[in-house]
Amino acid sequence: SAVISQKPSRDICQRGTSLTIQCQVDSQVTMMFWYRQQPGQSLTLIATANQGSEATYESGFVIDKFPISRPNLTFSTLTVSNMSPEDSSIYLCSVEPPTGGYEQFFGPGTRLTVL
Amino acid sequence: RKEVEQDPGPFNVPEGATVAFNCTYSNSASQSFFWYRQDCRKEPKLLMSVYSSGNEDGRFTAQLNRASQYISLLIRDSKLSDSATYLCVVNEDNTGKLIFGQGTTLQVKP
Repeated sequence: SAVISQKPSRDICQRGTSLTIQCQVDSQVTMMFWYRQQPGQSLTLIATANQGSEATYESGFVIDKFPISRPNLTFSTLTVSNMSPEDSSIYLCSVEPPTGGYEQFFGPGTRLTVL
Repeated sequence: RKEVEQDPGPFNVPEGATVAFNCTYSNSASQSFFWYRQDCRKEPKLLMSVYSSGNEDGRFTAQLNRASQYISLLIRDSKLSDSATYLCVVNEDNTGKLIFGQGTTLQVKP
């Protein structure tokens, strides 16, 4: 499995501001995924990020609200823009195994609270 | 209808008990199936993949019934450390998009 780190691990932000979350993987991977886990809920995929191309967003998520960068094969960022209290969630990045397979391994998550 | 459905529980069982979790999925074309475990305030961790023939890993047994679109997880000889939320996860078309069930909470008591 890959070793994944995320920064920050948590943050408390004011309404209307933006936060950029970083995800670093210890090996090169083709796709990186960003998920949201709202309080008491399960995980929902926000978007898939491939290096060198625009991220693919799931229904209900838009690039203006959640811009994603994927500058290389080991790193990605997710920005939560113009935050509101409804954006309070855990944001997780994940990757598939570098050697193949469809399971995913998750970073430790970023716990975001918006006041 | 939810794409992946689980009984949220909680399941409260004594140590040593056998407990079974069930999960149904709506897309008959789904390709890959997994059980993840999530501890409180932690990220989900892969417990096991689920294969058509069924598979076992120590005290854990997973079964897949494609005809009924049903996945199960059996935990034998429950330990206190098994207390967690168990997530049923489906990959519908092997594109990388995982669909998560809402999770089933297990509490093993001494």
